Amino acid sequence: GENVEQHPSTLSVQEGDSAVIKCTYSDSASNYFPWYKQELGKRPQLIIDIRSNVGEKKDQRIAVTLNKTAKHFSLHITETQPEDSAVYFCAASSGAGSYQLTFGKGTKLSVIP
Amino acid sequence: NAGVTQTPKFRILKIGQSMTLQCAQDMNHNYMYWYRQDPGMGLKLIYYSVGAGITDKGEVPNGYNVSRSTTEDFPLRLELAAPSQTSVYFCASSQAWDRNYTFGSGTRLTVV
Repeated sequence: GENVEQHPSTLSVQEGDSAVIKCTYSDSASNYFPWYKQELGKRPQLIIDIRSNVGEKKDQRIAVTLNKTAKHFSLHITETQPEDSAVYFCAASSGAGSYQLTFGKGTKLSVIP
Repeated sequence: NAGVTQTPKFRILKIGQSMTLQCAQDMNHNYMYWYRQDPGMGLKLIYYSVGAGITDKGEVPNGYNVSRSTTEDFPLRLELAAPSQTSVYFCASSQAWDRNYTFGSGTRLTVV
């Protein structure tokens, strides 16, 4: 099955700096890669996703890049704000014909004012 | 529009007891999922369903059962609870497998 590795497990940045979270996946047939944000005590919520036919996608301060050859994708948050503090999860589809998302273990991002 | 509703929010079970975690969605989504979340371990898929009457195992199905008699409801049954089942359980639904998952608010279960 699919295996998703996520790094780092914790990340602290100063407000206004950029944050980058990286994920690798194992199944070359995977074609859908969402990112979820989970604030403390809350449910996960989708913040951005990318499909395998696209190399980069941007939504305001958030961007995701995908390198299919290397099987890795990254989340970039620019001009970080205290409300960006949360746990971020990457995920990858489990390949053709599967209906499962495999999640990474999460990155706890702390934005220091 | 309530989205995905999970009950109960908290529960303490004794070893060997059984219980059902309820999940209902009002978005007419065909796809529904049960995940468990353990500290530092991300979300692990227990079971999923692609429509009424169809269910399949995920990554960690042992000790659990599900049913999907209607589009709206996807209950998760724990038989003979064990301490290893102490976790936060999230139900989710989506319009398609590669679309936004809407998560419920979670059930925090402790088995003692």
